[in-house]
Amino acid sequence: DVKVTQSSRYLVKRTGEKVFLECVQDMDHENMFWYRQDPGLGLRLIYFSYDVKMKEKGDIPEGYSVSREKKERFSLILESASTNQTSMYLCASSLLTGEAFFGQGTRLTVV
Amino acid sequence: KQEVTQIPAALSVPEGENLVLNCSFTDSAIYNLQWFRQDPGKGLTSLLLIQSSQREQTSGRLNASLDKSSGRSTLYIAASQPGDSATYLCAGTGNQFYFGTGTSLTVIP
Repeated sequence: DVKVTQSSRYLVKRTGEKVFLECVQDMDHENMFWYRQDPGLGLRLIYFSYDVKMKEKGDIPEGYSVSREKKERFSLILESASTNQTSMYLCASSLLTGEAFFGQGTRLTVV
Repeated sequence: KQEVTQIPAALSVPEGENLVLNCSFTDSAIYNLQWFRQDPGKGLTSLLLIQSSQREQTSGRLNASLDKSSGRSTLYIAASQPGDSATYLCAGTGNQFYFGTGTSLTVIP
């Protein structure tokens, strides 16, 4: 079974902190994605990556950056966390145009 | 930009009913269509993937169909059970995944 693992289920951080969300997949997928999910807004794409060291902005990249130094790992970075970044963060991976698999989600609260 | 709409937004049915969830998309140039289930506070679980060359897929009590020409997909759930209660999302694949906002299903015992 494909496994996508996010490092934390729940996180509480203070405003202004630098926050790292980690995602690891074990199926050698080329594509990896970071979404945030908010009530009434659905899933919104933050960043995605087609290959190691490659990244593409999604619909809402402001306030975020990403890192993909190894194929299996895709990190989302909040440079200076703000309260409007309180959300559910979801990581996914897929083969090119293939089936997507999601992690269990990280509920981030910024206080 | 691809827009994906799911109707209805919420649905409540008695146990045992057959039901249909709808997904429509504006750009027929999607590659695959995937259906997911999401339980409260959890990630998305893949249910069915309809690949570009296919028109439908079945898994147990679930059947999904895809009609690219009309820009529609449906998810059919047979003999619904309380454990089917969840939010169901569809996503079209182009160069990324385009998600609908989901249908929240409640199956009443």
